[in-house]
Amino acid sequence: DAGVTQSPTHLIKTRGQQVTLRCSPKSGHDTVSWYQQALGQGPQFIFQYYEEEERQRGNFPDRFSGHQFPNYSSELNVNALLLGDSALYLCASSQLTGSVGNTIYFGEGSWLTVV
Amino acid sequence: QQQVKQSPQSLIVQKGGIPIINCAYENTAFDYFPWYQQFPGKGPALLIAIRPDVSEKKEGRFTISFNKSAKQFSLHIMDSQPGDSATYFCAARQTSGTYKYIFGTGTRLKVLA
Repeated sequence: DAGVTQSPTHLIKTRGQQVTLRCSPKSGHDTVSWYQQALGQGPQFIFQYYEEEERQRGNFPDRFSGHQFPNYSSELNVNALLLGDSALYLCASSQLTGSVGNTIYFGEGSWLTVV
Repeated sequence: QQQVKQSPQSLIVQKGGIPIINCAYENTAFDYFPWYQQFPGKGPALLIAIRPDVSEKKEGRFTISFNKSAKQFSLHIMDSQPGDSATYFCAARQTSGTYKYIFGTGTRLKVLA
């Protein structure tokens, strides 16, 4: 049973560029959330996707956008990168309904460095 | 802004000791409280979780204690081992609609051999 997979694992971008991160959820899961984890901090909620729609957003600017595909996989896009966007980006997979609804399981993350 | 406050920031114990990590939340809009363990360079892994209608839950060497009236919960690691050295995060799940999770700032635990 494959867990949550994310790609790429590491990437370096220049200020002002755009980046796309990808996530495949755990088998049987239909919901994907994205979190940003700065060094030495806890994960911060960016947004959640269910049924190909953004259901809730955290306190992140519109430069952060996403998408969910019919197979439940998801992308996180960040435009006009700033140095402060350097962080570990975590994809969290869950099943919205059911007795254990929405327990989230994280992937290994994508390390983004903006220079 | 809903918050989850976690302490201590770091903790060092001897092998076999019982580290205790504490978290407190500020309102009652949470319905599920998981703990995650994170090793360097890895994503957080679900360790154990509790619902507010339960005061204690044990899974192996890990125990969560929950005090609903005080809005506090804690993680105890029995017979700690060097392999438990990691960063631990508490979290709280918001009850509204999409189940957003709020995380604590983390506790870096080091277990000495």
